Amino acid sequence: GAGVSQTPSNKVTEKGKYVELRCDPISGHTALYWYRQSLGQGPEFLIYFQGTGAADDSGLPNDRFFAVRPEGSVSTLKIQRTERGDSAVYLCASSLSQGDNEQFFGPGTRLTVL
Amino acid sequence: DQQVKQNSPSLSVQEGRISILNCDYTNSMFDYFLWYKKYPAEGPTFLISISSIKDKNEDGRFTVFLNKSAKHLSLHIVPSQPGDSAVYFCAAVRTYKYIFGTGTRLKVLA
Repeated sequence: GAGVSQTPSNKVTEKGKYVELRCDPISGHTALYWYRQSLGQGPEFLIYFQGTGAADDSGLPNDRFFAVRPEGSVSTLKIQRTERGDSAVYLCASSLSQGDNEQFFGPGTRLTVL
Repeated sequence: DQQVKQNSPSLSVQEGRISILNCDYTNSMFDYFLWYKKYPAEGPTFLISISSIKDKNEDGRFTVFLNKSAKHLSLHIVPSQPGDSAVYFCAAVRTYKYIFGTGTRLKVLA
């Protein structure tokens, strides 16, 4: 079956621009998570959706970052006025439900801000 | 403040020998712990988990040990195979939130 997919796989943008990163979770998974992985670090939690609502956005670094999941499936992470420090791999994961042990990760989007 | 630490950034092991990857944590309130494996240009994939009420969990060549008093867990891979070469992340979990360590790059030499 299809796993978690993320598009684009790579995104290069200029400082100050707006970007959108897309995540398609595994069909039927109600929980969706975004993580950011900087070079030499482990993934860091950004936001968690249960269905359509953001149940926990405590990991978003500032108000330039926003994520939506309007129909409870596909999610988009939006970054406004990008900065060089936003360069990282953005990972999306989904799980069957909140209490499920295993989160399934997508391949990530590598964002480079020049 | 790093709640989950993997102090060895890299490890090399001969094929057929045991690989031991270590992880330390600071918070006693985690519900369970997991190990994920990551190949280049792929997302992390789940390997094995252990509940905070257990001290050992085994799955084939992979065994995870949890020492709650020392706040330490380890992943043992035996025998190690070249295909095990990857970056290994431990993660501590409270409800839905995963807190990852910085990873250990394992290289299994043929």
